[in-house]
Amino acid sequence: GESVGLHLPTLSVQEGDNSIINCAYSNSASDYFIWYKQESGKGPQFIIDIRSNMDKRQGQRVTVLLNKTVKHLSLQIAATQPGDSAVYFCAVFLSGTYKYIFGTGTRLKVLA
Amino acid sequence: NAGVTQTPKFQVLKTGQSMTLQCAQDMNHNSMYWYRQDPGMGLRLIYYSASEGTTDKGEVPNGYNVSRLNKREFSLRLESAAPSQTSVYFCASLYHRTVNTGELFFGEGSRLTVL
Repeated sequence: GESVGLHLPTLSVQEGDNSIINCAYSNSASDYFIWYKQESGKGPQFIIDIRSNMDKRQGQRVTVLLNKTVKHLSLQIAATQPGDSAVYFCAVFLSGTYKYIFGTGTRLKVLA
Repeated sequence: NAGVTQTPKFQVLKTGQSMTLQCAQDMNHNSMYWYRQDPGMGLRLIYYSASEGTTDKGEVPNGYNVSRLNKREFSLRLESAAPSQTSVYFCASLYHRTVNTGELFFGEGSRLTVL
C-alpha cells in the first residue's frame, strides 16, 4: 500500500519569510503528487501538483519540489502572508486504483 | 454551481444507532470519495467509487458501508455507531486534469459525535 507522512505537525514562520513544508511517501511507484490547503472549518483545496517526470513545478508564490530518490516532496511558499495560515496536506493519487491518499498535515502559523 | 454538498452538517448519535451521510456533486465527475478527519491523523480514506456502479475500500473501511446511488450521489452509512467513529467526515469528487492526474473538490464536512 501507500503511506504518506509529513515531517512536522506545526510550523511557525514570520510574515514575509519563506515557508517550507515537507512530506515523505512510501511507494516508489507513485507518480502523481498533490498539495492541498485546508482553512479552518472548510474542506481542503487544491494548491499545486507535480508528476514524477518533473523535479520542480512553480505556481503563484508556491513551488513544489520532488526528490524521487529519497521519496520526498516539499512545498515552498514565498513571502508568507497571514492568509497562508492553514493546514497543508500532501497527497498521492494512485492512478491504477484511483486511491487518493493524504498525509497527516502540517499546520502553518504565520506570525505578525 | 453548488459543487459538493454534504448533509447533515452536524449530527449527534448514541452508541449503536445507525445513520447515513449524504453527498451529492453537480460537476459531472465520475469518481467520488469519503474521508474522515481526526486531530493529528490527517485525512483517511474510508471508501471510494471510481465510477458509477463501483465501490472500493480505502484505508479505514471497517464499520462503514457505502452506496453509489447514481453518478451524482455517494452515501456513507454507519450501521452501528461507535464512539471511535466520532470525527469530521468529508466527501469529495475528482476532476481529472488528465487521465492519470486529478484534483479533488471537497464538501464542507459533516461533524459526527457518537456518545
